[in-house]
Amino acid sequence: TQLLEQSPQFLSIQEGENLTVYCNSSSVFSSLQWYRQEPGEGPVLLVTVVTGGEVKKLKRLTFQFGDARKDSSLHITAAQPGDTGLYLCAGARPNFGNEKLTFGTGTRLTIIP
Amino acid sequence: NAGVTQTPKFQVLKTGQSMTLQCAQDMNHEYMSWYRQDPGMGLRLIHYSVGAGITDQGEVPNGYNVSRSTTEDFPLRLLSAAPSQTSVYFCASRSTGQGAMNTEAFFGQGTRLTVV
Repeated sequence: TQLLEQSPQFLSIQEGENLTVYCNSSSVFSSLQWYRQEPGEGPVLLVTVVTGGEVKKLKRLTFQFGDARKDSSLHITAAQPGDTGLYLCAGARPNFGNEKLTFGTGTRLTIIP
Repeated sequence: NAGVTQTPKFQVLKTGQSMTLQCAQDMNHEYMSWYRQDPGMGLRLIHYSVGAGITDQGEVPNGYNVSRSTTEDFPLRLLSAAPSQTSVYFCASRSTGQGAMNTEAFFGQGTRLTVV
């Protein structure tokens, strides 16, 4: 059973367009992270959100944590070819300071020049 | 600036063979973990360790063993390889303690394993 479902699984859009990727769960998480992974590399952390309703911006990327801390979204404005990659959300569940990370199914994003 | 180092980067095994995937980190992180990555399934936790001498199972532990004799090293052993274990394997490490920021995971470059 996959605790974190991401949608869409694949997304291919033209450079300059906007897009939103979703990460949904029926479980509550103490924090939610977004990672980006490029071919042949391990995932790299983009952002961590902690508070329900929190919004964080990283240049053209906007991350939001749902009010109930069960879901999150990643919005990219004016997508560029450098945004191409696999985007993974990961939820941390409370475990006495050793929070386990549960990863989502991933969204493979391709930006066409 | 090594971070998390995994070896080998690629490996082909025959069914029934055994091997060890190596993972080392130089950040003095207490928490280390192994994930496998398969298409459409994200990263699934195999085994993890919260410190030297302590290991525990993740969500897909069958067919794999781990040990943690030092803080730096966390090898993953495949006892008798099966085609279902064909995957990309990632080792990750992070510090632990209270607070969400402590859950940032640093990943190695991965080991692409094919079992024929």
